[in-house]
Order: sequence, then C-alpha cells, then structure tokens
Amino acid sequence: SQQGEEDPQALSIQEGENATMNCSYKTSINNLQWYRQNSGRGLVHLILIRSNEREKHSGRLRVTLDTSKKSSSLLITASRAADTASYFCAGQGGSEKLVFGKGTKLTVNP
Amino acid sequence: NAGVMQNPRHLVRRRGQEARLRCSPMKGHSHVYWYRQLPEEGLKFMVYLQKENIIDESGMPKERFSAEFPKEGPSILRIQQVVRGDSAAYFCASSGTGGLSYEQYFGPGTRLTVT
Repeated sequence: SQQGEEDPQALSIQEGENATMNCSYKTSINNLQWYRQNSGRGLVHLILIRSNEREKHSGRLRVTLDTSKKSSSLLITASRAADTASYFCAGQGGSEKLVFGKGTKLTVNP
Repeated sequence: NAGVMQNPRHLVRRRGQEARLRCSPMKGHSHVYWYRQLPEEGLKFMVYLQKENIIDESGMPKERFSAEFPKEGPSILRIQQVVRGDSAAYFCASSGTGGLSYEQYFGPGTRLTVT
C-alpha cells in the first residue's frame, strides 16, 4: 500500500510566494523524508524528520510532522523559479525501504 | 567525491531481449537499493542489497527480474525477456549504513524503453 500521498498533485505559484505541500501516510513510520526531482533527473534528498520530531528547518524549507494525524507538510518560503520540480514524501517504517507517494508538481513562475 | 553512478542512462530494448542496468554506489557505501518509477508516478521499492547478499526483495516481480551486488564491481539489475510494461525509469540509491534514518543517495536513473 502507498505510504505517502501528497496533495496537491500540482501547484503553480509566483516567484517570492510560499509553497506548501502536504503528505499523508497510512502506517506507522520511523521517519519521513522529502525529496525533490527535477524533470527527467534523479532524486535529491531535502530533509528527514524522525517520528519523535515535530518540526525541522533547513534553509528555506520547513517540515512538520503530526504522527497523530499521520501527516507531514513541506513549506518552501520565498520560492524561486529554480524550485520548480516534483516533490515527494517517503516514509520509512520497520525496514530500510522508502515508500514514496506520487508527488506534487510545483511550478514557480518568474 | 563521485555520487551514485548508473549506466546506461538510456536503454532501448525490443520485446524479448534482456536489459542489464548497472549501479555503482557512492564510495564507501555498501548498501544498495533499486526503485522503479513509472511515468507520473512516485518511486516503488524493488530490492535492497548489501555486498553479496539480498536483504529485502519484497518489491521485485517474481519472474524475469533479478539483482546482484557482487563483492567487486557494480550492482546489476537484470530484466530478462522484457515486455512493454517494463518501460520505466530505474533508480539506484546507496547508503553507508543500513538501518533506519539514514539518507539514501540516488543516482540519475536509467530510462528503459521497450519497443
């Protein structure tokens, strides 16, 4: 079963605005990770948040985790055209494998 | 400090042929993971290997697919008698340590097209 499910599926914003993407998951996790994928490229690891953490920051990224609701959000502040990409959440449960959602396609218009 | 390397980047095979995809993990990494991505989809786990051992192959199709990670050389994902449904991007990731909460570093992927 799919671990992560992101919404919205697609998001289009103007440069300088904030972008928020949400992720819901079904089973318990040890941690949740967010990745970025530029069109036709590999995945770049953005941030990992453990199940006992509620919020984490990295530069313009802010991730929250609510284990009671089985949900996470990724906020990108002051977006840039270069942030245009697909963003995936991936849960890691009782094994090493990552279980990915289908992703949010973000377009930042200059 | 080279990252995860995959080759070929693009591979075209006719139905019935064999596809061999290679993955060289980051230097010092001994854990390799293979994922498959269909168009407009997220990645799906296939197999997790350590040197000379398959640790978790719960995502591998039962037939035609096999993976290895020998003591020397890259990890190989092998697909025999390919069919059109095998067309996808195949990504390899590596980590220095197994277990949970360790980042997996992804390669650029091999895009397989079956004609």
